[in-house]
Amino acid sequence: GENVEQHPSTLSVQEGDSAVIKCTYSDSASNYFPWYKQELGKRPQLIIDIRSNVGEKKDQRIAVTLNKTAKHFSLHITETQPEDSAVYFCAASIRGFGNEKLTFGTGTRLTIIP
Amino acid sequence: DTGVSQDPRHKITKRGQNVTFRCDPISEHNRLYWYRQTLGQGPEFLTYFQNEAQLEKSRLLSDRFSAERPKGSFSTLEIQRTEQGDSAMYLCASSLVGGLAVTYEQYFGPGTRLTVT
Repeated sequence: GENVEQHPSTLSVQEGDSAVIKCTYSDSASNYFPWYKQELGKRPQLIIDIRSNVGEKKDQRIAVTLNKTAKHFSLHITETQPEDSAVYFCAASIRGFGNEKLTFGTGTRLTIIP
Repeated sequence: DTGVSQDPRHKITKRGQNVTFRCDPISEHNRLYWYRQTLGQGPEFLTYFQNEAQLEKSRLLSDRFSAERPKGSFSTLEIQRTEQGDSAMYLCASSLVGGLAVTYEQYFGPGTRLTVT
């Protein structure tokens, strides 16, 4: 089955600086890679996703890059703000063929230092 | 709130007791997933439904676990003879799979936190 590894497990950055979180996956059939943000005691919320036919996607301060050959994808947050503090999870899924379960990484606790 | 809802939000039970959780997906969503999340980990897939049909169960789902989605709307997850290792956050997510297998993202509920004492 799919295995997703995520690094680092914790990350502290100064407000205004950039943060990068990296994930690798094992199943070359995976074709959909979402990122979820989970604040303490709250539900995971989708913040950005990317499909395997795209190498990069941006949404304001957030971007995701995908390298299919190396089987890794990364989340980039620029101009970080205190409200970006949360746990971020990457995930991988195979879309279009039955079960589209998400296989999650172990999470990155991001702390923005004011 | 028209999002995914779960009930109860918290459940404390004694080892050996049975518990049942409910998930109400977004109304037009035909796919419903159950995940389990333990402290410091990402959610792990348990099972999923396409309308009322349960199509796959993870090997993590022991015989003590059963899930239903009787009318293709809400779903229940029952754990019989609870063990301390069952303590976790149980998350429900729903999505819409449309024509030509177009799939929209999974939306998560707030979860039910189970504590087995």
